[in-house]
Amino acid sequence: GESVGLHLPTLSVQEGDNSIINCAYSNSASDYFIWYKQESGKGPQFIIDIRSNMDKRQGQRVTVLLNKTVKHLSLQIAATQPGDSAVYFCAEIDYNQGGKLIFGQGTELSVKP
Amino acid sequence: IAGITQAPTSQILAAGRRMTLRCTQDMRHNAMYWYRQDLGLGLRLIHYSNTAGTTGKGEVPDGYSVSRANTDDFPLTLASAVPSQTSVYFCASKKTMNTEAFFGQGTRLTVV
Repeated sequence: GESVGLHLPTLSVQEGDNSIINCAYSNSASDYFIWYKQESGKGPQFIIDIRSNMDKRQGQRVTVLLNKTVKHLSLQIAATQPGDSAVYFCAEIDYNQGGKLIFGQGTELSVKP
Repeated sequence: IAGITQAPTSQILAAGRRMTLRCTQDMRHNAMYWYRQDLGLGLRLIHYSNTAGTTGKGEVPDGYSVSRANTDDFPLTLASAVPSQTSVYFCASKKTMNTEAFFGQGTRLTVV
């Protein structure tokens, strides 16, 4: 069936560096792609979304890029901070499939001081 | 403001027993979801509901049932628990056409 998945399970970066977290998706009919952050012992929290007809969207210190040609989504975090250490999930919504919110497998980001 | 609340926080359950995980939100969100999170497997959608009175199957619905009698509550029932249902369960809600879902704190369920 359709799925959203990630390339790498772990990522370690130095504090102050930029982080790039990648995601591959298979459902080209998805309406939105979303990034969530999950800190240890907590539920996921929304970071940023991008509509399927867009290529780039920027937020505060984060940028999401969508490449529909290769079905690839990325989250860029500028000037990574220790507080950014968490597991990051990409997710997708297809409103033609009942609006189910489907998550990928996750990447654990570790920020070294 | 409570947001979204799950109960219990954790539970140890004997195999074969029936269990209902509770989820309540006070944000008047139409859409609600149940996920299970196993180590290394991310969040997998069990069941969802787009509005009171309707429910749908997610990626891993077998062994679980849900009901949505009103907007606020979305209970998840395990009719006869099995050890493979040991997991952390998250409930979430959102406005129908939004992408931002709000998650509960999770229920850690161990089936022995």
